[in-house]
Amino acid sequence: EEKLVESGGGLVKPGGSLRLSCVASGFTFRRYSLNWVRQAPGEGLEWVSSISDKSDYIYYGDSLKGRFTISRDNARNAVYLQMSSLTPEDTAIYYCARGAGIGHAFNVWGQGTMVTVSS
Amino acid sequence: SYVLTQPSSVSVAPGQTARITCEGNNIGNKNVHWHQVKPGQAPVLVVYDDKDRPSGIPGRFTGSNSGNTATLTISRVEVGDEADYYCQVWDSSSGHHYVFGPGTTVTVL
Repeated sequence: EEKLVESGGGLVKPGGSLRLSCVASGFTFRRYSLNWVRQAPGEGLEWVSSISDKSDYIYYGDSLKGRFTISRDNARNAVYLQMSSLTPEDTAIYYCARGAGIGHAFNVWGQGTMVTVSS
Repeated sequence: SYVLTQPSSVSVAPGQTARITCEGNNIGNKNVHWHQVKPGQAPVLVVYDDKDRPSGIPGRFTGSNSGNTATLTISRVEVGDEADYYCQVWDSSSGHHYVFGPGTTVTVL
């Protein structure tokens, strides 16, 4: 079974940092692009970031203002999202999703990890 | 930046047809993907590249895309189809971004 499992979410104070992880199984991880998407409570899906199979192409959503960094470790079948200078507006479920390549559809999604930014 | 517009809600009786539109400037020139999101569950891709279905998605889900409008059609709607549906495109006209529509809630009456 092709699977993505996120971890690392939790409660963090405004201005704090958090690192999310997503571990893949059931497919050849190094052949696919990986993406992060978030959904704030009561809101829609928002694309956060994408990284190509070899990490040579990396893109971010405009609203992040340089606070997030995506990376991957193909030896560990993992993709990461380092988040800093967090604000309450970053409170959301963060999903990891697989794509056939940059620009392609997200065809496998994880269950998500909740990030709450609050004092 | 590229903007997608969807109706906020669509209501349909079981067995009938639901049509969800996704509007964007010349969206017919882009590949449109559709995701289904149910409460407490991971999103699921139901249509990709305008009209193709991933394995396991019923043939009742079909897509089309032309001009300024893409459409997801759900035929013979079932209670289990009740969910939020989001269209998605890749926009490389001004930077490189994925864009999601605001989502449409499908209610089965």
